[in-house]
Amino acid sequence: SQQGEEDPQALSIQEGENATMNCSYKTSINNLQWYRQNSGRGLVHLILIRSNEREKHSGRLRVTLDTSKKSSSLLITASRAADTASYFCATDAGGSGNTGKLIFGQGTTLQVKP
Amino acid sequence: ETGVTQSPTHLIKTRGQQVTLRCSSQSGHNTVSWYQQALGQGPQFIFQYYREEENGRGNFPPRFSGLQFPNYSSELNVNALELDDSALYLCASSLQGRVSGNTIYFGEGSWLTVV
Repeated sequence: SQQGEEDPQALSIQEGENATMNCSYKTSINNLQWYRQNSGRGLVHLILIRSNEREKHSGRLRVTLDTSKKSSSLLITASRAADTASYFCATDAGGSGNTGKLIFGQGTTLQVKP
Repeated sequence: ETGVTQSPTHLIKTRGQQVTLRCSSQSGHNTVSWYQQALGQGPQFIFQYYREEENGRGNFPPRFSGLQFPNYSSELNVNALELDDSALYLCASSLQGRVSGNTIYFGEGSWLTVV
């Protein structure tokens, strides 16, 4: 079963706008990760946030984590057409948070129009 | 480039046949995990191999089996293929035994179509 539920399922914006994707999960976590997938291809790791962190930045990406609400958000600022992809949140099934057995959400499909 | 390579990239099989998918993990990584991703869905964990032994399994039947070799490369075997097995199969490599939150590297996947 899917651990995370992502919202929205699909998002279409203009280049230059910001894109926000949300993820909710069910069980306690040690960390939460975000991945990107171009159509029909492999997953690329974007960012990892630990349970004791509330916010993390990487370039144009900003991730927040609210463990009390069991939710996370991914913000992509100043979007580009090349950001068009599907984005997934994932939590680790293992208690140590380092098992590599990931539970993925359904994903958000982002389309950035030039 | 993640350093994880999978083969074949695409294949078509007939219902009831058997298939073997291969994965070469990133150099130095001792753990390989396999995922199934149906169209429009998120990846689902199949199983993981650590130092040549199965180290956890998702909700998949026994006809899904795997191997990990001494060089840490891996195979996923699926017997008695069903139409619902049509999916993208992803291999991911990582290094166990390190601090929490190791980056996991995915291959580009193998597209399996069962007809």
